[in-house]
Parts: sequence; structure tokens; C-alpha cells
Amino acid sequence: AQKVTQAQTEISVVEKEDVTLDCVYETRDTTYYLFWYKQPPSGELVFLIRRNSFDEQNEISGRYSWNFQKSTSSFNFTITASQVVDSAVYFCALSEANGNKLVFGAGTILRVKS
Amino acid sequence: NAGVTQTPKFRILKIGQSMTLQCTQDMNHNYMYWYRQDPGMGLKLIYYSVGAGITDKGEVPNGYNVSRSTTEDFPLRLELAAPSQTSVYFCASRAGSPGYTFGSGTRLTVV
Repeated sequence: AQKVTQAQTEISVVEKEDVTLDCVYETRDTTYYLFWYKQPPSGELVFLIRRNSFDEQNEISGRYSWNFQKSTSSFNFTITASQVVDSAVYFCALSEANGNKLVFGAGTILRVKS
Repeated sequence: NAGVTQTPKFRILKIGQSMTLQCTQDMNHNYMYWYRQDPGMGLKLIYYSVGAGITDKGEVPNGYNVSRSTTEDFPLRLELAAPSQTSVYFCASRAGSPGYTFGSGTRLTVV
């Protein structure tokens, strides 16, 4: 069965600090997809990134970066120079190759204080 | 282009009542999903559909029913509501590739 573990329940940082959110996954599939979503206090789910299992290149998008390491089954998310607007719950998720049954981690609450 | 629309946004039900959560998408996506999010938890899959007329159970289907008579609509039916069904419900859809579009959610409280 597929499983996603986000060991950090809650993280608090001061604005401008860098912060890394950890994600470890389990799957027997050789082809799969990994996702990160942001859920701000308003409650909607905001898509951040999708990565397929054959693409281990790290990705950077502005202040956001992702580190995918198949060897350790991890897909970590780093926010550089955090801002108060980054305060949200962040979910890591995993899907089968066919895209069905997206499995979510429990989420990490990020609080960025000014 | 509205994306995925869920109604209502909020609802309070009494124990034993029934209701239907509506979900409509205008992107002609074949795949549709219902998830629930309990406080402090991630989302769990209730039911999903790979096309009109085809539905299948997810991880937590008990107490719910779905139907998919059209590509656009995927209603979720709660029969005999229980306090354990207090949750936020998200509908999602996707085209062929794994990229989900989520609705804004329905916050349901059963008292």
C-alpha cells in the first residue's frame, strides 16, 4: 500500500528564515507521482508541484525548491526567506502511475512570524 | 471557466438526516474524486469515478454513496448522517494525466 509520512506536525519560524518540510513516501510501484499542496487559512488546496518518479532533478520556483531523492524515498520542500504569507498547512501526496488514488500525508502546519 | 464547483460551502445536519453534496466541473475531465479532511489530518479518498457510469470505492466509503450520470457532475450522498461524518469535503477532477483540480470544499457539521 502507498503511504506518505510528514513527520513534522508543526513548524514555527521567524520571517526570512529558510525552512524545509520533510516528506517520506512508501510505494511498490516503479512509476508514480509526487505532489505538494498548500492549504492557506482560507481552506482551499493550492497545487505547488508535481514530480514523476523518473525525474529526480531538483526544482526551483522562486523562493520554493524541491529535493527528490528516490534512494531515500523523500521529496522535501524548502522555502527560502520565508514570509508571513507562507503560513499554511502543506501536504505532500503520492499517486499511482495512472493518477488514481492520491494519498496524502497528514500535513505540516507552517507558522511564519513577523 | 469555473473549474470545480462545490455546493453548499457550509452545512449543519442533525444526526440521522440525509443530504447530497454537489460537485460540478466544466473542464470535461473524465476522472472525479471525493475526499474528506478531518481536523489536523490529510485528505482521505471516499469514492472516485473514471468516467460517466463508473464509480469505485476509496479508503473510507462507509456511510456514503455516489453516482456519475454525466461527465460534469459527481454528487456525494450522505445517508443517516453521523457525528463521525463531520469533516471538510473536497471534490476534485482531472484529465488523463495526474494533475488534480480541487474544489473549494464543503464544511459539514453533524450535531
